[in-house]
Amino acid sequence: QVQLVQSGAEVQKPGASVKVSCQASGYTFSSYYIHWLRQAPGQGLEWMAWINPYTGGTKYAQQFEGRIVVTRDTSISTAYMELSSLRSDDTAVYHCARSSIVITDLIDFWGPGTLVAVSS
Amino acid sequence: QSVLTQPPSASGTPGQRVTISCSGSRSNIGSNTVNWYQQLPGTAPKLLIYSNNRRPSGVPDRFSGSKSGTSASLAVSGLQSEDESDYYCAAWDDSLNGPVFGTGTMVTVL
Repeated sequence: QVQLVQSGAEVQKPGASVKVSCQASGYTFSSYYIHWLRQAPGQGLEWMAWINPYTGGTKYAQQFEGRIVVTRDTSISTAYMELSSLRSDDTAVYHCARSSIVITDLIDFWGPGTLVAVSS
Repeated sequence: QSVLTQPPSASGTPGQRVTISCSGSRSNIGSNTVNWYQQLPGTAPKLLIYSNNRRPSGVPDRFSGSKSGTSASLAVSGLQSEDESDYYCAAWDDSLNGPVFGTGTMVTVL
């Protein structure tokens, strides 16, 4: 069965960086984009970035450009999202999710989320 | 920030029909298909409707979707207590080259 296993919760200070991992199993890693999305407490869903695991190509939402880097390690079917210069309003649950390379616009499965709390 | 607009809440009694609207623009709903997600508290979103009106395997046929122009809607008929949840619409945005989501609607079963 499809699984996206994310790394554990993090507490970071303002100005620091955080790196969240997402390990995929149950499907061909290179055949599905990995998206990163976040949900602040009591708020809606916000898309941040995607990576094509086959090519390594990425796309970042404009509001995160310069602060986010998404990478992947195909040998262990894992994608990573690093967000730097953290602020208190970056406190959120960060989800990875997948969409088919063929049907890019359909996110069909989500990881459970990783809570990132930014506090001094 | 959410690009698609949904009502913040909707409610109904068991057995009733509830509909949720989702309003977008030409670059998202107007050009691409709409997906709907159900999110129970403390869990990841789950795909409920895709390609405007198709249900993944295992989703009851009480859930249905439609799209017209730059708007879409989700209907839940025969409302049940387990339908109490947050619902989000989503569509690919050609300007963003990424997905955009609705503001979310909390459905309450009275």
